[in-house]
Amino acid sequence: EIVLTQSPGTLSLSPGERATLSCTASQSVSGRYLAWYQQKPGQAPRLLIYDASNRATGIPDRFSGSGGWTDYTLTISRLEPEDFAVYYCQQYATSPRTFGQGTKVEIK
Amino acid sequence: EVQLVESGGGIIRPGGSLRLSCAASGFTFDAYGMSWVRQAPGKGLEWVSDIDWNGGNIDYAVSLKGRFTISRDNAKNSLYLQMRSLRAEDTALYYCARVGGYCSGSRCLYYFDSWGRGTLVTVSS
Repeated sequence: EIVLTQSPGTLSLSPGERATLSCTASQSVSGRYLAWYQQKPGQAPRLLIYDASNRATGIPDRFSGSGGWTDYTLTISRLEPEDFAVYYCQQYATSPRTFGQGTKVEIK
Repeated sequence: EVQLVESGGGIIRPGGSLRLSCAASGFTFDAYGMSWVRQAPGKGLEWVSDIDWNGGNIDYAVSLKGRFTISRDNAKNSLYLQMRSLRAEDTALYYCARVGGYCSGSRCLYYFDSWGRGTLVTVSS
C-alpha cells in the first residue's frame, strides 16, 4: 500500500498569498497518477487536479499541480477567500487507492 | 449537470447490515466506473470500493473485503453498497463518486471526478 504524507498539517496564510502544499508518497507513484481534492466544511470533496498536473473542469488557473516519483505539490498562486479549506492528495497508481491525511489552509 | 444522491444510511447496531444506494443523473451512467469513499467524523477520506462500467472489474479496500459488496444497475442508473457485519469503526459519511481515469485489463486507474453529498452510517448499540 502506498502511504501518502501531506505537509504541513495546517497552513496559516492571508488572502492574496501563495500556498504550497506537499504530498510525499512512501514509494514512487507510477504514471504520476495523483489527484488533489478540496473539501470545505459540510461539503463533499471537489476534484482539483488529476494526473499530477491536469486541472479538472472549471478549476481556476490559480490552482496548479506538479511533481513526480514520490514528491508532489499543489500550489495556489494567490489565495482567494473561498480557497480556505482542507486539501487531500490521492494516488490511483495501485490498489488500494489511498489518500493523504489532509492539509488545512486557514486564514491567518 | 452530474448529480449523485446517496440514500440508505442510518443508525444500525453492531453486527447488522445496511444497503446504501446512489441515484445518478446528468450523465451516461453506463459509460463510467463508480466508487464509494467514506469519511469518519472529523477524519480524512478512505476509499471503500469501486466498480467499472459493467461490473467486470470490482475492487475493495482489503480491510472491507468479504463484508461489503458493491454492485450497480445500469438500467436504473444506480449504484449500491451492501454492508454486512457492521462495526463501530464503519461509522462514517459514505460518498458515492463517479470515477475518472480508465481500466487497462484488470488494472483500473481511478480518481473521483464528481461526488454526492453523502449518507451517514452510524454503527452503535
